[in-house]
Amino acid sequence: GAGVSQSPSNKVTEKGKDVELRCDPISGHTALYWYRQSLGQGLEFLIYFQGNSAPDKSGLPSDRFSAERTGGSVSTLTIQRTQQEDSAVYLCASSLEDRQRLYNEKLFFGSGTQLSVL
Amino acid sequence: RKEVEQDPGPFNVPEGATVAFNCTYSNSASQSFFWYRQDCRKEPKLLMSVYSSGNEDGRFTAQLNRASQYISLLIRDSKLSDSATYLCVVVHYGGATNKLIFGTGTLLAVQP
Repeated sequence: GAGVSQSPSNKVTEKGKDVELRCDPISGHTALYWYRQSLGQGLEFLIYFQGNSAPDKSGLPSDRFSAERTGGSVSTLTIQRTQQEDSAVYLCASSLEDRQRLYNEKLFFGSGTQLSVL
Repeated sequence: RKEVEQDPGPFNVPEGATVAFNCTYSNSASQSFFWYRQDCRKEPKLLMSVYSSGNEDGRFTAQLNRASQYISLLIRDSKLSDSATYLCVVVHYGGATNKLIFGTGTLLAVQP
């Protein structure tokens, strides 16, 4: 597709259940980011993937959160034993991250997954 | 203290007004700076990069002050369509890890 695709667009789950959120980045983009945005809040960095390098997981809020990126393309963010405070919009973004053009790097966001934990 | 700080607003201005937003950052090693725009219930989209010498794109002017560690966005002749949240973004580049840090955003409401 032409842009970053996320699925599902909305997810309602019960407290304690596991959820998986999917992100299809723009083809050829080497960098992939996950962010979380709570109502009225800014974007909270969760995790960053770049090519075959080890991901930067420094933003994951707890060990209930994990993410993987298979084949350098699709990424899945998994939240285990969901809690009500996990309710937020989860945004995925990708960029080409051409090292020659770093200072003009543009991040393309998907439309997000609205997660509601009841 | 947050790494990137912005006045959350809201800034309520009449059409045609000039409005300015500031953003401060704490990490002096930050290397790149951007302004993103986020419409209500939409994803953020890049508005403009911020260069050391300052740069302009139509009605929008961005400036960077490295010594004081702040960036600014000036919007001239505000339009109703400018109503949105403006997010300041600071980037650290380091080895295999690049990190984009977003401010919490400044809400602009342009009134007719």
